[in-house]
Amino acid sequence: GENVEQHPSTLSVQEGDSAVIKCTYSDSASNYFPWYKQELGKRPQLIIDIRSNVGEKKDQRIAVTLNKTAKHFSLHITETQPEDSAVYFCAASIIQGGYQKVTFGTGTKLQVIP
Amino acid sequence: EAEVAQSPRYKITEKSQAVAFWCDPISGHATLYWYRQILGQGPELLVQFQDESVVDDSQLPKDRFSAERLKGVDSTLKIQPAELGDSAMYLCASSRQGPDTQYFGPGTRLTVL
Repeated sequence: GENVEQHPSTLSVQEGDSAVIKCTYSDSASNYFPWYKQELGKRPQLIIDIRSNVGEKKDQRIAVTLNKTAKHFSLHITETQPEDSAVYFCAASIIQGGYQKVTFGTGTKLQVIP
Repeated sequence: EAEVAQSPRYKITEKSQAVAFWCDPISGHATLYWYRQILGQGPELLVQFQDESVVDDSQLPKDRFSAERLKGVDSTLKIQPAELGDSAMYLCASSRQGPDTQYFGPGTRLTVL
């Protein structure tokens, strides 16, 4: 089955600096890669996603890049703010047997220091 | 904006008791997922429905857990009997068919004493 590895597990940055979180996946047939942000005690919420036919996607301070050859994708947050502090999960999605199968990474706890 | 609904939000029970969680997905979403999340870890899939059919329950402890989605809309997850190790957040999510965004409910925080 699919295996998704996520690094680092924790990340501390100064406010205003950039943060990068990296994920690798094992199944080359995976074709959809969402990123979720989960604040303490709250539900995971989608912040950005990318499909396999696109190499990069940007939404204001957040961007995701995908390298299908190397089977890795990354989340980039620029000009970090204290409200960016949360746990971030990557995921890889594949269609198997006609339905979507999603595998999550283990999460990165991001702390933005004011 | 439509959201996934879950109830109860919190449940405290004693071991060996039965508990049940309810989830109402976003209208029109064919796929429904139940996840278990232990603090500090990623969501772990328990069971996945496509309409009313189970398509993946490979990680569901079937000796004590059961799930149903009788009319292909809302769903119930049951644990009987509950064990101390079941204490966790139980998240429900839904999505349209195909590779698409999952929308999560607020979760049910289960504490087994």
